[in-house]
Amino acid sequence: GDSVTQMEGPVTLSEEAFLTINCTYTATGYPSLFWYVQYPGEGLQLLLKATKADDKGSNKGFEATYRKETTSFHLEKGSVQVSDSAVYFCSVGGSNYKLTFGKGTLLTVNP
Amino acid sequence: GAVVSQHPSWVICKSGTSVKIECRSLDFQATTMFWYRQFPKQSLMLMATSNEGSKATYEQGVEKDKFLINHASLTLSTLTVTSAHPEDSSFYICSARPGSGRGTDTQYFGPGTRLTVL
Repeated sequence: GDSVTQMEGPVTLSEEAFLTINCTYTATGYPSLFWYVQYPGEGLQLLLKATKADDKGSNKGFEATYRKETTSFHLEKGSVQVSDSAVYFCSVGGSNYKLTFGKGTLLTVNP
Repeated sequence: GAVVSQHPSWVICKSGTSVKIECRSLDFQATTMFWYRQFPKQSLMLMATSNEGSKATYEQGVEKDKFLINHASLTLSTLTVTSAHPEDSSFYICSARPGSGRGTDTQYFGPGTRLTVL
């Protein structure tokens, strides 16, 4: 079945630092790829997505590019803020629209 | 847009009682809804997939008689934890997939329900 391997955290950065969270996947066909963010005590919010190879998803300064050749979908942000502190989940959309999630990466941004 | 609500946001119940959790898509019709369970500091575990008007499909290892799912309309799905026990305490999250329009391949998540069984 599908699987997602996500950079293990926790990740601690200072405000305005550059962020990269690595994500690789295994899946058949041409799945859609997603990054979700979860703030403490809340459900998941869709951060960005990409539906085909070389697509770049972007939102709130975050970006990720669908790289089929390396089966990767790394999340990046040029300058993080304290408010970006959360858990980030990479996921791949499989058959019947099911999502397979990575284990999540806890990001803490200090002022 | 694409707002999903859950009710209640938290519930505490006694062992042996049943608890119902509602999941609603507020501004779109959801062909499919999903129910997840999340343990502290862990990822989401898919419990079941629910399609409007048909029986839910449960993932391996999930007891369908324990976790009853009803998807009565295109905007509402319910999860009932029957005869709850302390080991059922968890964070339950639903998601909904639009049947048409934007993001039919995207799941939109509710805020979650914290269940504590005493």
